[in-house]
Amino acid sequence: SQTIHQWPATLVQPVGSPLSLECTVEGTSNPNLYWYRQAAGRGLQLLFYSVGIGQISSEVPQNLSASRPQDRQFILSSKKLLLSDSGFYLCAEGQDNEQFFGPGTRLTVL
Amino acid sequence: SQKIEQNSEALNIQEGKTATLTCNYTNYSPAYLQWYRQDPGRGPVFLLLIRENEKEKRKERLKVTFDTTLKQSLFHITASQPADSATYLCALENAGGTSYGKLTFGQGTILTVHP
Repeated sequence: SQTIHQWPATLVQPVGSPLSLECTVEGTSNPNLYWYRQAAGRGLQLLFYSVGIGQISSEVPQNLSASRPQDRQFILSSKKLLLSDSGFYLCAEGQDNEQFFGPGTRLTVL
Repeated sequence: SQKIEQNSEALNIQEGKTATLTCNYTNYSPAYLQWYRQDPGRGPVFLLLIRENEKEKRKERLKVTFDTTLKQSLFHITASQPADSATYLCALENAGGTSYGKLTFGQGTILTVHP
């Protein structure tokens, strides 16, 4: 079965600083990968998805970018964080119509 | 525009009762609908998937119905327990085309089961 790792678990960053969140997947090959953001008390918003190495699709215009340098690695980045980037970031892997989520990263931008 | 609504933001019930959560959608033609459970500070966990040609699906104390005419799914937990307390999310993927498994989630219902 697959395992999804995310780090760091929590992060506090000042406005204007860069961001790099990493997600790695074990136990599967050529997965569909997804980045979601969940604001406090709200549902999940799909940010990016990737169907293969170097293939990234953005769902909403924003201050963030994503990259997939390896089959099982998915990275979420920003050059300059905004206050509105605060939230709970979740990486997910899709398989057989189910999605499996990582433990998430809690980002607070001050 | 496409919309998914989970009617109750919060639901409080007594232990042993049946919890019923609702998910309504508009402007979707979903191939299937899913339900997830999310505990505080953790990622969602898949519970059940029901396809457009299925009316009902069960798994242990869980039951999901799917009415594509009403554009609604009901999620039931029978003989509820305090350990069932969590946020429950419904999610849809559109039928047809190449959606790459992308899901749109409802905002969730916070279920609290009181002893």
